[in-house]
Amino acid sequence: DAGVTQSPTHLIKTRGQHVTLRCSPISGHKSVSWYQQVLGQGPQFIFQYYEKEERGRGNFPDRFSARQFPNYSSELNVNALLLGDSALYLCASSPRTGLSEQYFGPGTRLTVT
Amino acid sequence: QKEVEQNSGPLSVPEGAIASLNCTYSDRGSQSFFWYRQYSGKSPELIMFIYSNGDKEDGRFTAQLNKASQYVSLLIRDSQPSDSATYLCAAPSGGSYIPTFGRGTSLIVHP
Repeated sequence: DAGVTQSPTHLIKTRGQHVTLRCSPISGHKSVSWYQQVLGQGPQFIFQYYEKEERGRGNFPDRFSARQFPNYSSELNVNALLLGDSALYLCASSPRTGLSEQYFGPGTRLTVT
Repeated sequence: QKEVEQNSGPLSVPEGAIASLNCTYSDRGSQSFFWYRQYSGKSPELIMFIYSNGDKEDGRFTAQLNKASQYVSLLIRDSQPSDSATYLCAAPSGGSYIPTFGRGTSLIVHP
């Protein structure tokens, strides 16, 4: 079975632009979470969606938004990009909202110049 | 501010030794704790989780939890060079599924 997939793999954007990152969960998984990982730090929670509803939101500005589609795939949108948004963006899927069966995708490396 | 603290390392151990990785947390409401392994340039991979005080063993890995001291550790027995990675500790805040991750400890196992 395919694991969690994310696209694109790498992305370079300019300050002020917006970006959309995409995630497809493992088949049968209904929960998708998004994390930001800055180099040298642990992942920081951004959003969790379960059954297309937002179930959790981390301490990120309103420039960050997300949604989950009927097929359980998800998009993370970031507006008005800042240099500090440069990071690895990780998507994780799980059957339910807990962490014990959470699997991470390979991530999208975003560079803001 | 709920915090999960880890020593960034690197922790260097010889092949075959026991590697001990430690994590402290500030939220007494946290009920479960998770250890992830992250190879350089890769995404985190769940190794173990623990809910109850005491030890939980899985192969060469043992997780230890002491809620009174707000301390969780991961022991890796018979360390191998392939265990060289960053190990992340995570704890959801009490009553939620939102995890707080530590910054991770870099482990180097040298032959």
